[in-house]
Amino acid sequence: EVQLVESGGGLVQPGGSLRLSCAASGFTFSNYDMHWVRQATGKGLEWVSAIAAAGDTYYADSVRGRFTISRENAENSLYLQMNSLRAGDTALYYCVRENSSSSEHFDYWGQGTLVTVSS
Amino acid sequence: DIQMTQSPSTLSASVGDRVTITCRASQSVSSWLAWYQQKPGKAPELLIYDASSLRSGVPSRFSGSGSGTEFTLTISSLQPDDFATYYCQQYNSYYTFGQGTKLEIK
Repeated sequence: EVQLVESGGGLVQPGGSLRLSCAASGFTFSNYDMHWVRQATGKGLEWVSAIAAAGDTYYADSVRGRFTISRENAENSLYLQMNSLRAGDTALYYCVRENSSSSEHFDYWGQGTLVTVSS
Repeated sequence: DIQMTQSPSTLSASVGDRVTITCRASQSVSSWLAWYQQKPGKAPELLIYDASSLRSGVPSRFSGSGSGTEFTLTISSLQPDDFATYYCQQYNSYYTFGQGTKLEIK
């Protein structure tokens, strides 16, 4: 069974930093592209960042230069280092697996970890 | 950037109704379009991918159609478990979601 379990969320002041983690199990993690998607309370879904199986990284304009996505295949783990946090970054952050075929839809989602940026 | 626009934003319907949700892209996304269902307090779940392919295990009352810039999600006969929020997503060029359609009980 595929499982994605996020951790690391919490309350942080504007300008602060936070590192999110996602523990993956039930599949060969190193073979899959992985993503972070966020959702502010009561709002829609926003793609944040992706890392390919080969290690290439991609970012939404809203976080480029502030967030860094990484992975540790030996530990089946995905990370999101978030710096210079703003109130607008407040959201539930989901760890998401991308389908392994040529179709890049998202087939499994974690339950999310909540990040609150407030003074 | 490709923008995705769903309509309606809210839909009121009854059990047994046939409902359709529309998703329009600001430019062609070919058939690289997925639909997700999200229930309150839960993560989104994949229903349809590549515009019309039903994910294994998803009830056959769900169907998707379209290509290019206009897509639809149809639920042929609403069940109580279907009242939720639905999102479309394009993955032709990076990834963009529609704003969501909340399906409410009439």
